[in-house]
Amino acid sequence: DSGVTQTPKHLITATGQRVTLRCSPRSGDLSVYWYQQSLDQGLQFLIQYYNGEERAKGNILERFSAQQFPDLHSELNLSSLELGDSALYFCASSGAWEDTQYFGPGTRLTVL
Amino acid sequence: SQQGEEDPQALSIQEGENATMNCSYKTSINNLQWYRQNSGRGLVHLILIRSNEREKHSGRLRVTLDTSKKSSSLLITASRAADTASYFCATVPSSGYSTLTFGKGTMLLVSP
Repeated sequence: DSGVTQTPKHLITATGQRVTLRCSPRSGDLSVYWYQQSLDQGLQFLIQYYNGEERAKGNILERFSAQQFPDLHSELNLSSLELGDSALYFCASSGAWEDTQYFGPGTRLTVL
Repeated sequence: SQQGEEDPQALSIQEGENATMNCSYKTSINNLQWYRQNSGRGLVHLILIRSNEREKHSGRLRVTLDTSKKSSSLLITASRAADTASYFCATVPSSGYSTLTFGKGTMLLVSP
């Protein structure tokens, strides 16, 4: 158990809908990262937040957005969903001076 | 985009044998990390090796890093059926933020 929690575990929705994925980092970790894992693209970095501020952006679509709240939990919002958005979405966290990222169990999103 | 390429894509061995996986990457790195993923589940951090290190051990794991060749290898000694999983290398760039860029992974099957 990494100490990172993600909800929900599974999400099934329809094209055009909007969903919110939630992540709680390990106690004390200030950095939160979001990754997407799909069969064709593999594991891709989406976005990083550090202590509430956006720090780095990867291959994140404009339809996707994220935020980190004062209690350090983070949410990833996916809107106007398409079939191709079906994937595993992982959240990871790390400490201030730490390079190791600890991953949550993921949210499996299925868009029908 | 993928930074690393793991080789082989798939590896099948018997319990007790050693398993070696290789990873090549393209840009200068601060560190390289290996993760394990059991079928469709979260990623588990195995080991981190910094750019100024050449070899690192953790239990039955041995990682080497050759920055001149931009390559790394992961050796699992005396493999067990429980080692069956996908193994990913991930790099953190030498400049910029500490986001992970993953390879496509090696699927390891250890048969009893």
